[in-house]
Amino acid sequence: NAGVTQTPKFQVLKTGQSMTLQCAQDMNHNSMYWYRQDPGMGLRLIYYSASEGTTDKGEVPNGYNVSRLNKREFSLRLESAAPSQTSVYFCASLAGTSGDNVLTFGAGSRLTVL
Amino acid sequence: ELKVEQNPLFLSMQEGKNYTIYCNYSTTSDRLYWYRQDPGKSLESLFVLLSNGAVKQEGRLMASLDTKARLSTLHITAAVHDLSATYFCAVDRRGGAQKLVFGQGTRLTINP
Repeated sequence: NAGVTQTPKFQVLKTGQSMTLQCAQDMNHNSMYWYRQDPGMGLRLIYYSASEGTTDKGEVPNGYNVSRLNKREFSLRLESAAPSQTSVYFCASLAGTSGDNVLTFGAGSRLTVL
Repeated sequence: ELKVEQNPLFLSMQEGKNYTIYCNYSTTSDRLYWYRQDPGKSLESLFVLLSNGAVKQEGRLMASLDTKARLSTLHITAAVHDLSATYFCAVDRRGGAQKLVFGQGTRLTINP
């Protein structure tokens, strides 16, 4: 099983450019998440999707949009990238909301905005 | 607003020693998770703690949860070099859905 797959792994953008980070999971999980990781700040939730067609804002949603295209895929779009969005982005999925389920994370996408 | 704080943020220790990482959180929750991250890698789940007094152990790591004190600890016994990594605690807001709030992480370096 591939688990959670993120593309691209690395990306460099100029300020104002747009791009989409792709995430796909093959575990038939219901919930999917986008987090960003910045040095010294842990991970912060950007957006969350409980199921296909539903999305919900997290702690730091400004500057991002998401699409839950189907049960497998959850994409994160930056419409006009800013240097403050330089970060490592992690997608994660979860089988169900029972507490003993744990998030499965992708390998991460490192984004640099110049 | 839920805040999660870990200390220490950096820890350098010798093999064979014992140490504890602390995770404090600001609002009521009874779901706490510990993750490990190796440099340049993704996060790997270590422990799930779901009730007051919960204790979990795996090898040289033991985690516990005190929901009344809003405190979790990750204890390392007789550290070995392979445990060098960054350790995160994360707390689920009430209402579940695992919209986790993470601590800043503790970067642990174990020297031979």
